[in-house]
Amino acid sequence: DIQMTQSPSSLSASVGDRVTITCRASDSINRYLNWYQQKPGKAPKLLIYAASSLQRGVPSRFSGSESGTDFTLTISSLQPEDFATYYCQQSYSTPRTFGQGTKVEIK
Amino acid sequence: EVQVVESGGGLVKPGGSLRLSCAASGFTFTSYSMNWVRQAPGKGLEWVSSISSSSSYIYYADSVKGRFTISRDNAKNSLYLQMNSLKAEDTAVYHCARSDFTLTQDAFDMWGQGTMVTVSS
Repeated sequence: DIQMTQSPSSLSASVGDRVTITCRASDSINRYLNWYQQKPGKAPKLLIYAASSLQRGVPSRFSGSESGTDFTLTISSLQPEDFATYYCQQSYSTPRTFGQGTKVEIK
Repeated sequence: EVQVVESGGGLVKPGGSLRLSCAASGFTFTSYSMNWVRQAPGKGLEWVSSISSSSSYIYYADSVKGRFTISRDNAKNSLYLQMNSLKAEDTAVYHCARSDFTLTQDAFDMWGQGTMVTVSS
């Protein structure tokens, strides 16, 4: 099974900050890496697929990048509605695996 | 409106069974693979099972293999999860999610709000 290791597990940031979340795959996943946002009591929402493709309707302040088995989600200027938990997930092989999540909190 | 809506959750005793349903609307159901993903209270997301558009390919997490069965009825635009021999560790919100390999490399691009399953005596 491919393990997804996300860091940090939580972070505190202010509105306007640049925020970076990383995800490392235990094996090659050929850019089959997706990012989701989840707010309390709500369903997850797809932000980025295929490592760097922005899902329709997602603001351009969200971006994704890849370097080998390391992946990064960047929020260029954190907005109040961005405080949530973020998950990475690989769709390269089964079992589909998620990172453990990164909770972005207000500083 | 494009959506998926889960139902069928509830309280069940250990060893019991439950059947979850997911009703899809607003999109061509037969064009998508469908998936179940669960989230235990206060925990992260865990993939449970996937089924291809024509039911040709079915996959399960090891944690549910042999106990859960995924199926779909394309004529009814519906997805199902039959859960048998339930354990306390199956307690979670179960989400239905669609995916498409061509469009999004099988990312889960639409999710339902979920249905809560509680396994307790």
